[in-house]
Amino acid sequence: AQSVAQPEDQVNVAEGNPLTVKCTYSVSGNPYLFWYVQYPNRGLQFLLKYITGDNLVKGSYGFEAEFNKSQTSFHLKKPSALVSDSALYFCAVRDDEAAGNKLTFGGGTRVLVKP
Amino acid sequence: KAGVTQTPRYLIKTRGQQVTLSCSPISGHRSVSWYQQTPGQGLQFLFEYFSETQRNKGNFPGRFSGRQFSNSRSEMNVSTLELGDSALYLCASSWPRTGLKETQYFGPGTRLLVL
Repeated sequence: AQSVAQPEDQVNVAEGNPLTVKCTYSVSGNPYLFWYVQYPNRGLQFLLKYITGDNLVKGSYGFEAEFNKSQTSFHLKKPSALVSDSALYFCAVRDDEAAGNKLTFGGGTRVLVKP
Repeated sequence: KAGVTQTPRYLIKTRGQQVTLSCSPISGHRSVSWYQQTPGQGLQFLFEYFSETQRNKGNFPGRFSGRQFSNSRSEMNVSTLELGDSALYLCASSWPRTGLKETQYFGPGTRLLVL
């Protein structure tokens, strides 16, 4: 079975400061990891993914994430947060041993960037 | 290229009724997945269709069903609606290969309110 944990319900950060959103996962096989962002009354927007290769993945809007196999983590980071980054962030995992296209999501982390 | 579209965007039904939601994937995408998002349960996988066949199914009762047409458009149906079915229903599509490494792109969702 595959699972994802986002330990923080909310992260508060001042504009211009670094932003980190934490994610840990559990899978049977090799993980495929994704980050999505959701703005109010909108669907999910894809930010970045880790499939294989470099542990540091760069994505949209200046976001990046670091894959750490030993800690089973995939934390999302942004060096300098913007007020417009305030949204709900979801980490998701797909197990390469699982059938089909099922994504398992974490509970989400609300990010609030204050001016 | 147009994104994933979902219709209707908002829907109000009463208990016991049934509802059909529609999803048009990104052109060329053949895998369509459905997810339910609620404040209490978060994002949960409903089912996935690929080439008109259900490839994977989540842990939802039989009242939830779906289908996919030859043009990859998909519908999901919920019969005998219950209050707990009130949720944002999200559709996602991805490229036609194995699907394991492919990114799922989400539509804006259909918000269903059951009274």
